[in-house]
Amino acid sequence: QKEVEQNSGPLSVPEGAIASLNCTYSDRGSQSFFWYRQYSGKSPELIMFIYSNGDKEDGRFTAQLNKASQYVSLLIRDSQPSDSATYLCAVILLSGAGSYQLTFGKGTKLSVIP
Amino acid sequence: DAGVTQSPTHLIKTRGQQVTLRCSPKSGHDTVSWYQQALGQGPQFIFQYYEEEERQRGNFPDRFSGHQFPNYSSELNVNALLLGDSALYLCASSLVYGAKEQYFGPGTRLTVT
Repeated sequence: QKEVEQNSGPLSVPEGAIASLNCTYSDRGSQSFFWYRQYSGKSPELIMFIYSNGDKEDGRFTAQLNKASQYVSLLIRDSQPSDSATYLCAVILLSGAGSYQLTFGKGTKLSVIP
Repeated sequence: DAGVTQSPTHLIKTRGQQVTLRCSPKSGHDTVSWYQQALGQGPQFIFQYYEEEERQRGNFPDRFSGHQFPNYSSELNVNALLLGDSALYLCASSLVYGAKEQYFGPGTRLTVT
């Protein structure tokens, strides 16, 4: 069973701290990784994507990918109460040529405490 | 720049009925994917349309069918509704077929009673 796994949380961090969200995936051949933010009652919003090993930074967000360990993470620096949401990790699993379907984890609920 | 739009926002149906949900992709996007998100779960892939054809399909029964129109908009049809079909139905669009980044619409909340 090809899977994407996340700790469901909730993860609570104080305002201004670094929030670290983690995700593991089962398919070693996966090439594309995404982080979506979903506020309660809303749809997922794409905030980061990463395709190569290493770090990718965009403002307060850093995505980290380690394909050897099948691990992808999202760091949120200077966390704000407005960052409180569920963060979904998504992977395009290697399920054959031309596969573009996203496989999602269940999400990690982040709460930033003022 | 118009984002992905979906209609209706909310829908209540009775078990056994049929439902049609609609999606217009982001301006300039030609590929549409549909996902089902049950409460507390991540979205699950239903199918993807490009050039008016179903290109990929997830693990959903034939009760779920779709269509894409020449203007790239899309419909999701679900027949013989079950209570378990109650979920948030999400449409996502991509710039071109094969583009990895997908952008979601606001979703349609379907409740089956």
